[in-house]
Amino acid sequence: GENVGLHLPTLSVQEGDNSIINCAYSNSASDYFIWYKQESGKGPQFIIDIRSNMDKRQGQRVTVLLNKTVKHLSLQIAATQPGDSAVYFCAENIFMKLVFGAGTILRVKS
Amino acid sequence: DVKVTQSSRYLVKRTGEKVFLECVQDMDHENMFWYRQDPGLGLRLIYFSYDVKMKEKGDIPEGYSVSREKKERFSLILESASTNQTSMYLCASSRQDNEQFFGPGTRLTVL
Repeated sequence: GENVGLHLPTLSVQEGDNSIINCAYSNSASDYFIWYKQESGKGPQFIIDIRSNMDKRQGQRVTVLLNKTVKHLSLQIAATQPGDSAVYFCAENIFMKLVFGAGTILRVKS
Repeated sequence: DVKVTQSSRYLVKRTGEKVFLECVQDMDHENMFWYRQDPGLGLRLIYFSYDVKMKEKGDIPEGYSVSREKKERFSLILESASTNQTSMYLCASSRQDNEQFFGPGTRLTVL
């Protein structure tokens, strides 16, 4: 949404490079994790998810890695494109509720 | 495709007015959610509902109420709008413990 990116960490990458966005989550009881993408003026869109019994999941151009030992989640985007520019949120599922991270701005330079 | 719609994209209200934000989903999802999104604070859960006529408080329910009379519709009510309720409001729905699908958001300004 508008101005959602104020004070957020920003990752700038060159078009065609790979992007890695990191997220630390808080609750060791979380069993399900999701990455969302939010473009300006729109609601968050689902990108990829992973359950706690997995440590890696791949989609089209995206990979999510889960490290439960250090409670860390990452989103890898291959061959980043200008259309990937957005704010990216991780979310952890705790008892049917999602708890969202603050978000990371991804800027793609052409 | 799941579709979550919200009644307004932009809304301007005056302090003290009663405000209704409507959300409709067309995928027969059990769960529905209302969030607000503010710069630097991410998405914060106001209320959620896991069934018709059921509601649960989220993290910031003060100043809000909700209504779920039908499975597909979840309404957020601001009984007496205040300026600190100026925000982006996002509705979402999901099936059980699965990903939430979001609507486009309503940008509410309270003057």
